[in-house]
Amino acid sequence: SQKIEQNSEALNIQEGKTATLTCNYTNYSPAYLQWYRQDPGRGPVFLLLIRENEKEKRKERLKVTFDTTLKQSLFHITASQPADSATYLCALEYTGGFKTIFGAGTRLFVKA
Amino acid sequence: NAGVTQTPKFRVLKTGQSMTLLCAQDMNHEYMYWYRQDPGMGLRLIHYSVGEGTTAKGEVPDGYNVSRLKKQNFLLGLESAAPSQTSVYFCASILSVGSEAFFGQGTRLTVV
Repeated sequence: SQKIEQNSEALNIQEGKTATLTCNYTNYSPAYLQWYRQDPGRGPVFLLLIRENEKEKRKERLKVTFDTTLKQSLFHITASQPADSATYLCALEYTGGFKTIFGAGTRLFVKA
Repeated sequence: NAGVTQTPKFRVLKTGQSMTLLCAQDMNHEYMYWYRQDPGMGLRLIHYSVGEGTTAKGEVPDGYNVSRLKKQNFLLGLESAAPSQTSVYFCASILSVGSEAFFGQGTRLTVV
């Protein structure tokens, strides 16, 4: 079965630095890869989607890359702020499927 | 425009009791999902629906039933609650495959 691996250890960075989070998956590549943000006690909120034929996607301070050879996606937050502190979830969706598979998420702490 | 609304937000059940969680969306989305989220496990799919009157099993369906009698509502039932079903439950909906998922605020269920 498909597995998604996100770093279970929290990532601590200083304000203003770039945060980089990793999402690795096994087996075959998804048609779509998404990133979500989740704050404590809240539901996940969609951030970015990247398709299998795309290498990179940007939205304001956010950048996502997708390497189907490495079976990996990287999620970058540039000029990080304490308000970016949250858990970030990677999610995969496959062609012909109706199900989105989520990773366990990586907790990010941005210190002022 | 409320998005996705879950009721109730919190519930404590005794082992063996039954209950129904309600998910309502006002975005005319075809696809709806029920997930459970446990520490370190990420979001795991319980059941999903690709349209009114249809349901399908996800990754962890045992002990749960669902119904989608109306397009806007997706109900999750626990027939005989067990302590292992203590979790946070999230409902989500999407417009089409590959589009962003919209989540409810979650239901925190404790089975004692």
